[in-house]
Amino acid sequence: EDKVVQSPLSLVVHEGDTVTLNCSYEVTNFRSLLWYKQEKKAPTFLFMLTSSGIEKKSGRLSSILDKKELSSILNITATQTGDSAIYLCAPTGGTSYGKLTFGQGTILTVHP
Amino acid sequence: GAVVSQHPSRVICKSGTSVKIECRSLDFQATTMFWYRQFPKQSLMLMATSNEGSKATYEQGVEKDKFLINHASLTLSTLTVTSAHPEDSSFYICSARDRLSGETGELFFGEGSRLTVL
Repeated sequence: EDKVVQSPLSLVVHEGDTVTLNCSYEVTNFRSLLWYKQEKKAPTFLFMLTSSGIEKKSGRLSSILDKKELSSILNITATQTGDSAIYLCAPTGGTSYGKLTFGQGTILTVHP
Repeated sequence: GAVVSQHPSRVICKSGTSVKIECRSLDFQATTMFWYRQFPKQSLMLMATSNEGSKATYEQGVEKDKFLINHASLTLSTLTVTSAHPEDSSFYICSARDRLSGETGELFFGEGSRLTVL
């Protein structure tokens, strides 16, 4: 059975802080790992990681995959209140339909 | 990016009635769509994989007779919650992947449907 564990489950910081969110996984036939940000409605796509050790960046957000450790981290620097959301990671693999198994998510709250 | 439209966004129904939720890919074709359920402050839980032209694949613990899925075309999947009860109240989200992007292509999510069963 596929497993995805995210940590911490919740995090409260102040604007300007840097945060690191963790995702570890056990998925058969692993293909890629996706990160999403969810505010009030549908998740929005952040990153797709397929290669180990290659950092992907988008503004203040960056992410990297470690296939040896079966894990990924998502970094957010200089956090803003608009970063407050649930951050979800999901590895793809398993069946040929490429279904996603989401982790529990990390609830990030950024205070002014 | 690609757009997935989900309707209705919010529905309130009486216990025992059935509710249909639609998920449409507006500018791409999706041979596969996924239906998720999300309870407050929890993650998305995959309920089933909807396959165009064939039966849906349900996750363990999800009753296929209660959550009917129909994927009649490459752009439309529907989820019908039959004989809804208050415990079915939840946020239901669909997602779809462009059939041309392969298994690791980006998934696009609908806006979600909040079901409240009285």
